[in-house]
Amino acid sequence: EIVLTQSPDTLSLSPGERAILSCRASQSVSSSYLAWYQQKPGQAPRLLIFHASSRATGIPDRFSGSGSGTDFSLTISRLDPEDFVIYYCQQYGASITFGQGTRLEIK
Amino acid sequence: QVQLVESGGGVVQPGTSLRLSCAASGFSFNNYGMYWVRQAPGKGLEWVAVIWYDGKNKYYADSVKGRFTISRDNYKNTLYLQMNSLRVEDTAVYYCARNPVRDYYYYMDVWGKGTTVTVSS
Repeated sequence: EIVLTQSPDTLSLSPGERAILSCRASQSVSSSYLAWYQQKPGQAPRLLIFHASSRATGIPDRFSGSGSGTDFSLTISRLDPEDFVIYYCQQYGASITFGQGTRLEIK
Repeated sequence: QVQLVESGGGVVQPGTSLRLSCAASGFSFNNYGMYWVRQAPGKGLEWVAVIWYDGKNKYYADSVKGRFTISRDNYKNTLYLQMNSLRVEDTAVYYCARNPVRDYYYYMDVWGKGTTVTVSS
């Protein structure tokens, strides 16, 4: 099983700043089959990024994904107040596993 | 619009059974694989099961294998999760989600709002 480790667990930043969230895999993720989701309190997750760097429909271009192999990242270029929620990475190169999540909080 | 609506959650005792349903609308249900994903209170996301578009292939997380069964009725546009021998650790919000392809493991592009299952004595 591929284990995904997200870091940090909590990231404290201010609105307008840039956020970089990391997702590291225990082994290489084939074909960059990695997705990112955003989850707001009390809501279902929402797909942000798939295939490591492709934005899902309707996602603002301030969200971007990058990486390959075992190291991936989600960058939010200019934080809006509504962005301060939880983010999960997921790999689908070998079965499916999720990272433990990163909580983005207002500093 | 594309929509997934789960139902069937509730409070049950350990060792009992429950069947969840997920009604799909706004897309050609029989052309997509489907997932169940769960989230225990205050915890992260856990993939539970996946079913191919035609129902012929099904795969499960080790934590539910042999106890849960995923199925679908493409005439009723409905996905199911039969949960047997429920344990306290199965307590979670259960989401159904769409696979953007017919088969294989992929990401989840559409999610329902979830239904809550509580297993408690």
